[in-house]
Amino acid sequence: KAGVTQTPRYLIKTRGQQVTLSCSPISGHRSVSWYQQTPGQGLQFLFEYFSETQRNKGNFPGRFSGRQFSNSRSEMNVSTLELGDSALYLCASSLAQGVGELFFGEGSRLTVL
Amino acid sequence: GQQVMQIPQYQHVQEGEDFTTYCNSSTTLSNIQWYKQRPGGHPVFLIQLVKSGEVKKQKRLTFQFGEAKKNSSLHITATQTTDVGTYFCAGAWRDSNYQLIWGAGTKLIIKP
Repeated sequence: KAGVTQTPRYLIKTRGQQVTLSCSPISGHRSVSWYQQTPGQGLQFLFEYFSETQRNKGNFPGRFSGRQFSNSRSEMNVSTLELGDSALYLCASSLAQGVGELFFGEGSRLTVL
Repeated sequence: GQQVMQIPQYQHVQEGEDFTTYCNSSTTLSNIQWYKQRPGGHPVFLIQLVKSGEVKKQKRLTFQFGEAKKNSSLHITATQTTDVGTYFCAGAWRDSNYQLIWGAGTKLIIKP
């Protein structure tokens, strides 16, 4: 079956703009998590959605938001972009919240100029 | 809040040497997962450990979960070039809604 699909794969924005990233989980997976990865910072947890509800949230400012749709697809939005937001944003899906392994997408690489 | 400390940050080995990475938590974990991320790739699940003292093997990889469920290790015997990448542990606690907390990762580098 198809894996986790993230779009777009690469994007370049300027400071102050906003960006929306999309994630389509594996069919049947109802939990979607988002991570920010920067060199030397490892994986920083942004938020987790299950059944259209945010279940967990990481320590990021309110400029970072997300949502999940009834078909389990998820989007995350970053408003008022800053240079430090340049990173690889990874989406991961799992069958249910807190259950089993995470399946990651290829990521969306955001560059903020 | 909960934290998972992972060491070392980097390990340089000659091909054929062994590699070990360690993860520690100050509080008892519910379970711990291990992932591998190849350069330019995304994390890929390796294994989940749940039971106290659990030891699991996957070919040259050995995963251990401590008796107190506060520490875990991944050991690779006789490293190969295909082992290159960053290895992450991720711990979960029941009282944190099973949110995974990730270690900083250990980068395995094979010396030329």
